[in-house]
Amino acid sequence: QKEVEQNSGPLSVPEGAIASLNCTYSDRVSQSFFWYRQYSGKSPELIMSIYSNGDKEDGRFTAQLNKASQYVSLLIRDSQPSDSATYLCAVSHSNYQLIWGAGTKLIIKP
Amino acid sequence: GAGVSQSPRYKVAKRGQDVALRCDPISGHVSLFWYQQALGQGPEFLTYFQNEAQLDKSGLPSDRFFAERPEGSVSTLKIQRTQQEDSAVYLCASSPTGHNSYEQYFGPGTRLTVT
Repeated sequence: QKEVEQNSGPLSVPEGAIASLNCTYSDRVSQSFFWYRQYSGKSPELIMSIYSNGDKEDGRFTAQLNKASQYVSLLIRDSQPSDSATYLCAVSHSNYQLIWGAGTKLIIKP
Repeated sequence: GAGVSQSPRYKVAKRGQDVALRCDPISGHVSLFWYQQALGQGPEFLTYFQNEAQLDKSGLPSDRFFAERPEGSVSTLKIQRTQQEDSAVYLCASSPTGHNSYEQYFGPGTRLTVT
């Protein structure tokens, strides 16, 4: 059974601080990794994708991938109340399928 | 342009009723996925279409669940003889290609409540 694990939270972070979200996965052959944001009652939307080891930055978001340790993380700098949501980690499995974590609930406190 | 649309947005069914959930993917998208999402959980894969071909239905929970995409665009997920455990949000997603390195675009979901 291929798995993606995330801490369910909630993770509470003060406004303006850095939020750090982590995800581990079990399938060593996974090649594509995604972070989706899901607001309550809404559908998931893509925040970041990463395919190679190292860091990938996009605005206030940085995704980090370490294939040897089988983890992927998402850093959110200068956190805003609008970042409060559930963050889902998704990892490729087979040519088309993604395996999803249960998500980490992030709360940014003003 | 138009995103993925789903209808109905909300459905209440009595136990034992049949339901049909519709998904309109982004025009031209090759791949279409159906997911089931329970409260506090990530999406669980149900089935995958590449154009009109259903390449994977391994996630369908029972033979009461059936999905089709006859012309390679609109898809319908049908649940026969609904049970309480079928209550969940059903998400449809489409992707421009047949490879998982590309983003999946989600519809707003259909919230199914079986009473």
